[in-house]
Amino acid sequence: AQKITQTQPGMFVQEKEAVTLDCTYDTSDPSYGLFWYKQPSSGEMIFLIYQGSYDQQNATEGRYSLNFQKARKSANLVISASQLGDSAMYFCAMREGRGYQKVTFGTGTKLQVIP
Amino acid sequence: SAVISQKPSRDICQRGTSLTIQCQVDSQVTMMFWYRQQPGQSLTLIATANQGSEATYESGFVIDKFPISRPNLTFSTLTVSNLSPEDSSIYLCSVEVGQSTDTQYFGPGTRLTVL
Repeated sequence: AQKITQTQPGMFVQEKEAVTLDCTYDTSDPSYGLFWYKQPSSGEMIFLIYQGSYDQQNATEGRYSLNFQKARKSANLVISASQLGDSAMYFCAMREGRGYQKVTFGTGTKLQVIP
Repeated sequence: SAVISQKPSRDICQRGTSLTIQCQVDSQVTMMFWYRQQPGQSLTLIATANQGSEATYESGFVIDKFPISRPNLTFSTLTVSNLSPEDSSIYLCSVEVGQSTDTQYFGPGTRLTVL
């Protein structure tokens, strides 16, 4: 079974609009971390946001927020006020347990921002 | 976070040769990770490198094909040996930073094309 599922291969969003990228995960470990990364066409992986399984509040980092619904095992990324520079691949990832554990990545969503 | 550099940023190699990729971090880290990203695919962990011990390889990856060195706490190399076109990928190193979040930060990647 897939540990991280991203069901949207591609998404379009109008500039200045908000967009939600979906991510569901599967784990039986009570301690885990969820991450979102952005990968522009240059290939680098840019860390965006982190959510811990015990965190009570949804994580936010500037225009990025993570809609964490633990019971549904979903960790959707919300990008507000989209910019042309947001066009990239976005990967959801999970680490089970604490410290120096393997991080598993989803298949990614390609976001294109339309002027 | 951490500042991570990789050399080379890209290379084109002939079948049967080898390429060694260097990863340098601006601070001392215990674990370094090497990932492969095949064209249009997500990231797959190759191995975890701990200073002073042999690297731990994931299923499907072997030391003869992907030898790794970790001579100190800020540096690692990955060699991709006996290259074939199927090895054409982006290779990324990462380090884990942050006692509470254990976030992995990535280098800019090495884009390898094998002819």
